Amino acid sequence: GAVVSQHPSWVICKSGTSVKIECRSLDFQATTMFWYRQFPKQSLMLMATSNEGSKATYEQGVEKDKFLINHASLTLSTLTVTSAHPEDSSFYICSAALTSGGPGDTQYFGPGTRLTVL
Amino acid sequence: GESVGLHLPTLSVQEGDNSIINCAYSNSASDYFIWYKQESGKGPQFIIDIRSNMDKRQGQRVTVLLNKTVKHLSLQIAATQPGDSAVYFCAEMNTGFQKLVFGTGTRLLVSP
Repeated sequence: GAVVSQHPSWVICKSGTSVKIECRSLDFQATTMFWYRQFPKQSLMLMATSNEGSKATYEQGVEKDKFLINHASLTLSTLTVTSAHPEDSSFYICSAALTSGGPGDTQYFGPGTRLTVL
Repeated sequence: GESVGLHLPTLSVQEGDNSIINCAYSNSASDYFIWYKQESGKGPQFIIDIRSNMDKRQGQRVTVLLNKTVKHLSLQIAATQPGDSAVYFCAEMNTGFQKLVFGTGTRLLVSP
């Protein structure tokens, strides 16, 4: 149980285009979903926290107009990288929590999406 | 042995050895800690967690130790297997903010 999927698993796009990444909780409802970015040989950095039906909370330094997050249902959150540039190339990982992401509410991670911007 | 440099710290062990991966966390207000395993090209996989009111917790072949005095966390893996080869991350959370902060990671290499 507690499986999180991401689609696509990898994407290559041209500079200036927008890319949408989906994160789905397959067998549970997730009130809160999180989006992380991971550069090669580095750790995961939280980009934003999204709660179903409300606006996402972005971490300092993350541009909300560039990384659009929509959490329209309890099983789906999307991250859209708008006007992507090569420096946006990274591994994007989502996680989903059963309730509010506190202790005991384990975050279940998706398999990640590799974005390469040419 | 263990090495630190421009790349991820790496711990190399022989199959069957016990492995100890260390982590120094930064926030004295953190009260929940988790160890994750990440294989290449995959998302993090939950291994074990511990709350700040404990100093030790055991799972199957894994043990987590927490020393709040020096803000140190360790993951012990017994009888390490080649399938344990991966990057291991510790993560801390201040439950008041409900945000996971990941450590830098350690690559574990297990040779047969």
